[in-house]
Amino acid sequence: QKEVEQNSGPLSVPEGAIASLNCTYSDRGSQSFFWYRQYSGKSPELIMFIYSNGDKEDGSFTAQLNKASQYVSLLIRDSQPSDSATYLCAVNRPGGGNKLTFGTGTQLKVEL
Amino acid sequence: DGGITQSPKYLFRKEGQNVTLSCEQNLNHDAMYWYRQDPGQGLRLIYYSQIVNDFQKGDIAEGYSVSREKKESFPLTVTSAQKNPTAFYLCASSSRQGGSGLYGYTFGSGTRLTVV
Repeated sequence: QKEVEQNSGPLSVPEGAIASLNCTYSDRGSQSFFWYRQYSGKSPELIMFIYSNGDKEDGSFTAQLNKASQYVSLLIRDSQPSDSATYLCAVNRPGGGNKLTFGTGTQLKVEL
Repeated sequence: DGGITQSPKYLFRKEGQNVTLSCEQNLNHDAMYWYRQDPGQGLRLIYYSQIVNDFQKGDIAEGYSVSREKKESFPLTVTSAQKNPTAFYLCASSSRQGGSGLYGYTFGSGTRLTVV
C-alpha cells in the first residue's frame, strides 16, 4: 500500500461544477495535511492545509479531513478552466523533521 | 519579495560529470528540502536540513550530496554515482516549529536536469 494514494485521473468537470479530489494515507500518526496545485512544467503551490477533522473553507476551496477513515479531500467550487492542473496531496511524516510524503497527484481538467 | 530561488532553470549533464544545483531563500526559514519529481511519480525526498551545518538523508540520497553552511543556502550536488539523474528537482523551505506546529512548504521554481 502506498503511503499517500490519489487517483491519477484525469478528472474532467464542466466549467462551474464542483470538482472533488480525494486522497488516502496509511500512517495513522500523521497530523498535518496539505493540498498543492501544480501547473504543467511549474513547481507546486500550496493552496490549503488542514489539521483537524472536519471541513476548512478558503475561497473556492474546501478541504475535508477524516482521520478515522484516513481520508482527506479537496473540493473546488465553481471550477474554472484556470483550475486545470495537477493537485498533489501531502501528508506529514510522524517523527519530526517536518517531512512531507506526497501523492502522485490527480490531474483536473475543467472543460468549457 | 521573499521567496526561494533555484538556478539554473535547465541543466544538461554529461555522463560522469558532477553538477550542482543552487537553492537560495530569503524567507528566514530554518528548514530546507530537496525533492525529485519524475513523470507519474510523486515527489521523493533526497535530503533535508533543519538547521545550519546539519542535514539528513531522505529516501533516495544515493548519488547526491548537500551542504548547509548558511541559513539561506542549500545546494545539491548530483554526482556521477547517480545513475538516473534526469528529473525535475525542487527545493523547498518551511518554518521549523516545535511540537505539532507544522507548516507546508514553499517551493522554488525548480531545475530540470537532463543527461546528454
